[in-house]
Amino acid sequence: DTEVTQTPKHLVMGMTNKKSLKCEQHMGHRAMYWYKQKAKKPPELMFVYSYEKLSINESVPSRFSPECPNSSLLNLHLHALQPEDSALYLCASSQGRGRGYEQYFGPGTRLTVT
Amino acid sequence: GEDVEQSLFLSVREGDSSVINCTYTDSSSTYLYWYKQEPGAGLQLLTYIFSNMDMKQDQRLTVLLNKKDKHLSLRIADTQTGDSAIYFCAETRNSGNTPLVFGKGTRLSVIA
Repeated sequence: DTEVTQTPKHLVMGMTNKKSLKCEQHMGHRAMYWYKQKAKKPPELMFVYSYEKLSINESVPSRFSPECPNSSLLNLHLHALQPEDSALYLCASSQGRGRGYEQYFGPGTRLTVT
Repeated sequence: GEDVEQSLFLSVREGDSSVINCTYTDSSSTYLYWYKQEPGAGLQLLTYIFSNMDMKQDQRLTVLLNKKDKHLSLRIADTQTGDSAIYFCAETRNSGNTPLVFGKGTRLSVIA
């Protein structure tokens, strides 16, 4: 089983709302990732967690706040977003963080900020 | 320029072979991947190749790696309408923190 699940599938939120995206995997993977993908562009890395610790933050604005409660779960807390934050948010996981560990992606959450 | 380059569009007839090309610049790249993304969906890992290999075949998919020219290709035999999608080439490197570097993606259109 190489499944990564994400909820919700779609989310519409206003600029003053607080919401969270959720990601789950049960493959025993120890690295988890958040990506942002705009239309017709490749995914852009936002955060990497390795063994439940944040190891990479790609200069993401503080209105995005990741959380890794345990090795199977990854959250992305959203607050005071801007319309330009509308995108597909993808979660991925891999067995490890280093080279050679293939990443498996979830179906994504389509976020629209109004 | 881009670190990983791909042509943006490819159109083929159903039943023909498709060849999607990718070039990369980092000679220390050790693992190279092909991902498929259908409209509105996440990325599906199709296949990958280690840099010490020249070719890898998996059913209708053949990956060729020319390490000297830093060129990677994905051949899809007997292309079907269900193969219509965006295909991303991605590499991992020995240097830097970024685990995976993606190309811009090639949009494959299959004409019935």
